[in-house]
Amino acid sequence: AQSVTQLGSHVSVSEGALVLLRCNYSSSVPPYLFWYVQYPNQGLQLLLKYTTGATLVKGINGFEAEFKKSETSFHLTKPSAHMSDAAEYFCAVRGRDQGGKLIFGQGTELSVKP
Amino acid sequence: DVKVTQSSRYLVKRTGEKVFLECVQDMDHENMFWYRQDPGLGLRLIYFSYDVKMKEKGDIPEGYSVSREKKERFSLILESASTNQTSMYLCASGGKPLVREHGYTFGSGTRLTVV
Repeated sequence: AQSVTQLGSHVSVSEGALVLLRCNYSSSVPPYLFWYVQYPNQGLQLLLKYTTGATLVKGINGFEAEFKKSETSFHLTKPSAHMSDAAEYFCAVRGRDQGGKLIFGQGTELSVKP
Repeated sequence: DVKVTQSSRYLVKRTGEKVFLECVQDMDHENMFWYRQDPGLGLRLIYFSYDVKMKEKGDIPEGYSVSREKKERFSLILESASTNQTSMYLCASGGKPLVREHGYTFGSGTRLTVV
């Protein structure tokens, strides 16, 4: 069975500081991996995804994530936080079966201090 | 861009009512999903469908049913609403894995309150 663990339900950084949101997954087959962002009172928006190929994936708004198979991790980073990055972030893994369900982590709320 | 439209942004229903949440997507996606989102619990899958008239239970199907009569529309039904079904409900659609891997597209959500 597939699962996702996000370490830290709340992360707080100062504006301009590095953002690091951690995600570890469990999957018996090579997974598809995703990061989504949810701004207040909105649906989820895709930040970036890993399917195959290059393990360093760049997404929107300056975010990137690196797939590390040996560590079963897919951590999300951004070199310099902006106030507008404050939101909830979800890591997800998708199976390659017919249904292709997305399994989500519990989410990490990012706060950015001025 | 793919659009996933949920019919209502906010709903208030009474205990025992039958509630319909509608979701429509416009990109010919095979797969559609209903999740509920609760603080501290993340997103939990209620039901999903990978084809018309097909449905599969997710992790928390109790108290819910679904209908997919047309490819673009996936409805979530609360047979008899209860207060513990007060939540944010998110619909999503996506293509078949290995065929169209663009992740899911989510609707804006329906915040349901059962009183």
